[in-house]
Amino acid sequence: KNEVEQSPQNLTAQEGEFITINCSYSVGISALHWLQQHPGGGIVSLFMLSSGKKKHGRLIATINIQEKHSSLHITASHPRDSAVYICAVRGGNQFYFGTGTSLTVIP
Amino acid sequence: EAQVTQNPRYLITVTGKKLTVTCSQNMNHEYMSWYRQDPGLGLRQIYYSMNVEVTDKGDVPEGYKVSRKEKRNFPLILESPSPNQTSLYFCASSLSPAQETQYFGPGTRLLVL
Repeated sequence: KNEVEQSPQNLTAQEGEFITINCSYSVGISALHWLQQHPGGGIVSLFMLSSGKKKHGRLIATINIQEKHSSLHITASHPRDSAVYICAVRGGNQFYFGTGTSLTVIP
Repeated sequence: EAQVTQNPRYLITVTGKKLTVTCSQNMNHEYMSWYRQDPGLGLRQIYYSMNVEVTDKGDVPEGYKVSRKEKRNFPLILESPSPNQTSLYFCASSLSPAQETQYFGPGTRLLVL
């Protein structure tokens, strides 16, 4: 069983919709990361969270340490948000990853 | 420009033929890491290095070797590649594992026949 579970696996949305991607983990962690993998394959770090909430532009990430759960929200989604979003947790100096959520935003 | 470079980007090889994938960063980062990405399994950590001459196994180290003789370079060595090592490989670096941003290389797509 993977230590990090993401849902949904695939998500299609209309432009402008509010999107939520969920991540649950089963191990003790030092921090949780959200990554974005572009259609061309490149990976970019979006957020690191150890508590609370962070916001960058239209992206909001939250974490609930007690429930071992994090969410990534995208407000006013746009076709350029189409990508795979990956949740990763850090335990000590190691990283463990979810299998990703593939998001397609239709104009 | 701050970046992580990997070479080669694409490689087709045969079972048992030793190969090395190079990784280099120009940001003076201490933490470097190798990952493989497979459909349905996501990214998995192979090896990581906290600094020069300090390397540790990740989740899936079997069949791989690494070395960290200089801070900027972290090559991944497959001494006797097998078809189950066909995958997309990423190198990444950061100041420390606790840093918010990990910088990923562009990826190396490996096919072992």
